[in-house]
Amino acid sequence: AQSVAQPEDQVNVAEGNPLTVKCTYSVSGNPYLFWYVQYPNRGLQFLLKYITGDNLVKGSYGFEAEFNKSQTSFHLKKPSALVSDSALYFCAVRDLMNTGFQKLVFGTGTRLLVSP
Amino acid sequence: DTGVSQNPRHKITKRGQNVTFRCDPISEHNRLYWYRQTLGQGPEFLTYFQNEAQLEKSRLLSDRFSAERPKGSFSTLEIQRTEQGDSAMYLCASSPRGPRDTGELFFGEGSRLTVL
Repeated sequence: AQSVAQPEDQVNVAEGNPLTVKCTYSVSGNPYLFWYVQYPNRGLQFLLKYITGDNLVKGSYGFEAEFNKSQTSFHLKKPSALVSDSALYFCAVRDLMNTGFQKLVFGTGTRLLVSP
Repeated sequence: DTGVSQNPRHKITKRGQNVTFRCDPISEHNRLYWYRQTLGQGPEFLTYFQNEAQLEKSRLLSDRFSAERPKGSFSTLEIQRTEQGDSAMYLCASSPRGPRDTGELFFGEGSRLTVL
């Protein structure tokens, strides 16, 4: 089964500093990878996805992610963090069955706390 | 607003009562998913509809849970005889089928259930 792992429960960074939220994946075949963000008591908002092509994917709100096949990683990055980036971040991978059924499998989430 | 809509946003109930959540997906999306998210965890897949057909159900979906999508548009998730362990955020998501489908899910704001 496809899976992702987010090794850090929480990441702390000062405003203006670069941030990285880590994700590693385990898949058979080519991975379709996603990042979502969740603010308190809200649903998940899509940030970006990697399907194929450039290893550096640009997404919403200045976020980007780097796909690394050799390290099976898909880390989320931002050059300069904002206090408003503080939220819960989820990495996800598409799980595609032979029947054609597909779903997203999520990691456990990483809480990002950006201090002023 | 043409996004995924969920109602109610919050529900507090006593143990043993029945509750029902409604999801209105994006109108042109024929795939609909229900996920459950407990505190400190990532969303977990519950069930999937393609049009009006319920094609996949997770083992997490006990006999007390039932979901419908009678006309292939909105969906309901009913929990009978609620237990305190059912307290969670219930997330609905939709996606299109066809060439535009990359596995990305579009989530609603969620329905938070608290069972006392």
